[in-house]
Amino acid sequence: SAVISQKPSRDICQRGTSLTIQCQVDSQVTMMFWYRQQPGQSLTLIATANQGSEATYESGFVIDKFPISRPNLTFSTLTVSNMSPEDSSIYLCSVWTGGTNQPQHFGDGTRLSIL
Amino acid sequence: DAKTTQPPSMDCAEGRAANLPCNHSTISGNEYVYWYRQIHSQGPQYIIHGLKNNETNEMASLIITEDRKSSTLILPHATLRDTAVYYCIVRVEGTSYGKLTFGQGTILTVHP
Repeated sequence: SAVISQKPSRDICQRGTSLTIQCQVDSQVTMMFWYRQQPGQSLTLIATANQGSEATYESGFVIDKFPISRPNLTFSTLTVSNMSPEDSSIYLCSVWTGGTNQPQHFGDGTRLSIL
Repeated sequence: DAKTTQPPSMDCAEGRAANLPCNHSTISGNEYVYWYRQIHSQGPQYIIHGLKNNETNEMASLIITEDRKSSTLILPHATLRDTAVYYCIVRVEGTSYGKLTFGQGTILTVHP
């Protein structure tokens, strides 16, 4: 399966600032996704990162708050903008290589704390 | 995608089989059952998936009832490292939109 690297692995940020999280895959993948996992909760899909076009956001998530880029088939970034303590979560990147019977695979996430 | 129901927590003795149930009574004919697990401080790890037939791989076995309304994930010889949250997810295979909808999962604790 694809090897997924996320940077940073964790960070502590001040409220009102923004942080960009990187997701790098060791092979070209068809689709890349960003999820959020709030403390003690399950995962929620934020958006699908589309190569060369705007990301597709899920209900409750907007581009101004979570701008996403995907310049090629192996790399994507998620920015958490104007952060508040409520944004303290784990942010996870996942990938789907495409093809029948191929599951999504996840990175280990970025643990973000906002003071 | 269909909704799933799992018990919030289960215990298992090390070396014994862990049987994790999942109810998906509204599953559609083209929806697959996927299992993932999340060990503390890691991202979800894919375990296994299936449509109708029982499946087995190096990690686990998946037993799907004939009416497909429920399934059981079996870890044949649980170890302490199998302690994790286990998620049962149903989704349509082969779609270009690969969204996974996670429920609360089952916290499996393996005891020495």
